[in-house]
Amino acid sequence: EAEVAQSPRYKITEKSQAVAFWCDPISGHATLYWYRQILGQGPELLVQFQDESVVDDSQLPKDRFSAERLKGVDSTLKIQPAELGDSAMYLCASSLGTQNEQFFGPGTRLTVL
Amino acid sequence: SQQGEEDPQALSIQEGENATMNCSYKTSINNLQWYRQNSGRGLVHLILIRSNEREKHSGRLRVTLDTSKKSSSLLITASRAADTASYFCATDKAAGNKLTFGGGTRVLVKP
Repeated sequence: EAEVAQSPRYKITEKSQAVAFWCDPISGHATLYWYRQILGQGPELLVQFQDESVVDDSQLPKDRFSAERLKGVDSTLKIQPAELGDSAMYLCASSLGTQNEQFFGPGTRLTVL
Repeated sequence: SQQGEEDPQALSIQEGENATMNCSYKTSINNLQWYRQNSGRGLVHLILIRSNEREKHSGRLRVTLDTSKKSSSLLITASRAADTASYFCATDKAAGNKLTFGGGTRVLVKP
């Protein structure tokens, strides 16, 4: 069964360092999402791509976060510099289109020390 | 910001019992979805109910939607230990699949 792949699964970094997360969506899925989930809360959408274009990044802290999906397939989310408050689970999801259910990857657990 | 609010925040039941959790939201929606998340893992889509639907079933799951009250409920019948997880409702306001999640209900099913 096709799955959304994410790496790394765990990342520990010190504040002010740069971190990057990678996501490979299910083959053929045009829409890709990055979410942040703080412990004990529900996921919050950071950015949504349709193919290689950003559809919504209204909740992305653009002073330190960036996301790209250059060829409309896999995607990278970067934080520079990381802050203590960025400690969270970063989830990637994909869907065939904007009318279809989202499939989530296992997430990257980020700890900022 | 979180559109949906689940109630209760936590639920503990015995295996075989039914589990019911509720979700309330603030603005009009196109559809409402329920997801399950096992500890430290990604989310799994359970069921989607559209704004013009009132009830849907999937296996042991039953979801209702009352748009006049801006609320939804998820019922898990004959619960199993494997149902232990957090359950989230998510609303899609404009059919663009931009989901807004609630804070979740943590369900513990004791064997």
